[in-house]
Amino acid sequence: AQTVTQSQPEMSVQEAETVTLSCTYDTSESNYYLFWYKQPPSRQMILVIRQEAYKQQNATENRFSVNFQKAAKSFSLKISDSQLGDTAMYFCAFMPLLTGANSKLTFGKGITLSVRP
Amino acid sequence: KAGVTQTPRYLIKTRGQQVTLSCSPISGHRSVSWYQQTPGQGLQFLFEYFSETQRNKGNFPGRFSGRQFSNSRSEMNVSTLELGDSALYLCASSLVGLSGYTFGSGTRLTVV
Repeated sequence: AQTVTQSQPEMSVQEAETVTLSCTYDTSESNYYLFWYKQPPSRQMILVIRQEAYKQQNATENRFSVNFQKAAKSFSLKISDSQLGDTAMYFCAFMPLLTGANSKLTFGKGITLSVRP
Repeated sequence: KAGVTQTPRYLIKTRGQQVTLSCSPISGHRSVSWYQQTPGQGLQFLFEYFSETQRNKGNFPGRFSGRQFSNSRSEMNVSTLELGDSALYLCASSLVGLSGYTFGSGTRLTVV
């Protein structure tokens, strides 16, 4: 079974600054995906960024980037130039890669990020 | 294109009743998954359907069930509701073979 740990329940950052959200996971799988999802007050889970475990290069999406350390089983999210709209709950999630099929997501407990004006 | 649509947005039910929640996936998505979100337990996987077949099931009692129709729309049913079933129920859809899911805005179920 997989576990995903987000040890920081809350973080706060000043607008325009950079913040890093931490995530660690545990698995015996060798092929998997890692995700960061954002859940604003509207409740909809929005995919922020995705990392394939077989890729050594860290994924980036505009102001969002990850630091993926496979050996350490660490997957942190860096948000640059923080904006007020980044205020939300952020979830780290793990999904094993199964040939020809999707699989279930295992989520961490989430972290509440507040961006201060 | 339209996203994942869940109805209703809010629901209040009494203990012992049953409830049916609906999810319409993104057009072309054949995989639909359901998750329960509570403050105490976080996000927990309920089940996944593909082509009208349940492929994967989480650790929930038999009171929780679901189905998928030929147009990929899915419903989940909870019978004999308990207070602890109060939660946000999220539906997510995905193309087969692609990673990641697109989520709906959820149904907020309150059991009184």
